[in-house]
Amino acid sequence: DQQVKQNSPSLSVQEGRISILNCDYTNSMFDYFLWYKKYPAEGPTFLISISSIKDKNEDGRFTVFLNKSAKHLSLHIVPSQPGDSAVYFCAASYRDDKIIFGKGTRLHILP
Amino acid sequence: DTAVSQTPKYLVTQMGNDKSIKCEQNLGHDTMYWYKQDSKKFLKIMFSYNNKELIINETVPNRFSPKSPDKAHLNLHINSLELGDSAVYFCASSQKDRVNNEQFFGPGTRLTVL
Repeated sequence: DQQVKQNSPSLSVQEGRISILNCDYTNSMFDYFLWYKKYPAEGPTFLISISSIKDKNEDGRFTVFLNKSAKHLSLHIVPSQPGDSAVYFCAASYRDDKIIFGKGTRLHILP
Repeated sequence: DTAVSQTPKYLVTQMGNDKSIKCEQNLGHDTMYWYKQDSKKFLKIMFSYNNKELIINETVPNRFSPKSPDKAHLNLHINSLELGDSAVYFCASSQKDRVNNEQFFGPGTRLTVL
């Protein structure tokens, strides 16, 4: 029973273009959403988050959009850079409880 | 100056053995976690400790026993290892009153049970 779903296992994007990673969730009680980035042989590192009271949060090249009615969030990276090649995990939490992670999407930035 | 460290990084062992993975954080956080990333790449929480007290215990076999000697350490002991225990285990920490629920992860321990 996946409460957080990342349906695209991988995504390839040309350097300089926009990368859009998508995430769907099923539990309407989630009130905080996070994106983590993971390089091989390293632990996930926090990238950006958004509270359920907002629909957009921006941090430099990274923007997360939240559509509560559709239970959907997305991470936009623009412009995409080679160092962005990694696995991106979408995650959600409720009232500071455990964080539920998606399976991740592997992003390849092509030269 | 590593924030969350785990030892060992790799662990290869035989079925039936008992092994421990150690985790330490120097961030002054009050909450620590153990996650398991299985072959299907799901990253699932196993345990969470807040100020040395167990607050999350998912449906994990009781062969897995976390031990928190102090706020900065959360070790994972596994008895009678089975083939299905092969996975990457991540330790993480956070400060519970932070607004954004950010958790800081260690580099992971790849456990292989033969």
